[in-house]
Amino acid sequence: AQRVTQPEKLLSVFKGAPVELKCNYSYSGSPELFWYVQYSRQRLQLLLRHISRESIKGFTADLNKGETSFHLKKPFAQEEDSAMYYCALSGRGAGSYQLTFGKGTKLSVIP
Amino acid sequence: DAMVIQNPRYQVTQFGKPVTLSCSQTLNHNVMYWYQQKSSQAPKLLFHYYDKDFNNEADTPDNFQSRRPNTSFCFLDIRSPGLGDAAMYLCATSSPGGAGKEQYFGPGTRLTVT
Repeated sequence: AQRVTQPEKLLSVFKGAPVELKCNYSYSGSPELFWYVQYSRQRLQLLLRHISRESIKGFTADLNKGETSFHLKKPFAQEEDSAMYYCALSGRGAGSYQLTFGKGTKLSVIP
Repeated sequence: DAMVIQNPRYQVTQFGKPVTLSCSQTLNHNVMYWYQQKSSQAPKLLFHYYDKDFNNEADTPDNFQSRRPNTSFCFLDIRSPGLGDAAMYLCATSSPGGAGKEQYFGPGTRLTVT
């Protein structure tokens, strides 16, 4: 069975400090990993996906197959980064399009 | 703007009284999903439609049903809501063959059962 684990329910950091939101997964095969974000009073939306190898709003995430992790990182946190972050997993291939979500981590950036 | 719309945003129903939540999309995506999200928990997939094909998750209670009359609309019917069904219900869409696996979410409907 596929599973996504986000060990921290809440993470508080000071503005300008580095941020790392942890995500570990369990999947028999090659997964696709995503980070979704939900800002206050806004809908859940995609932040980034591992296959794009992109940096969005200063965030990056690298898929580590050996550690089965997909941690989200940002070198300098901003107040506007405060939000709920969900790690999600899908299988590879066009037939595997459903997502399994982690329970989420609430990031609070302290001014 | 192309988007996913959910109505109503807040719904109050009585214990055992049927309720319908609606979702519409202007993205022309062929997959529509319904998730249940309770406080401090991950969104839990209830079921989804791939075009007209209905796919129910194994652990979705029979109390939950869905209809998709056309590409744009999808409904979630709760036949006899219990107190445990109070939650945020999220609708999402995707186009696996086109735009990829990104899911586009609506704002959600918060259901209260009294």
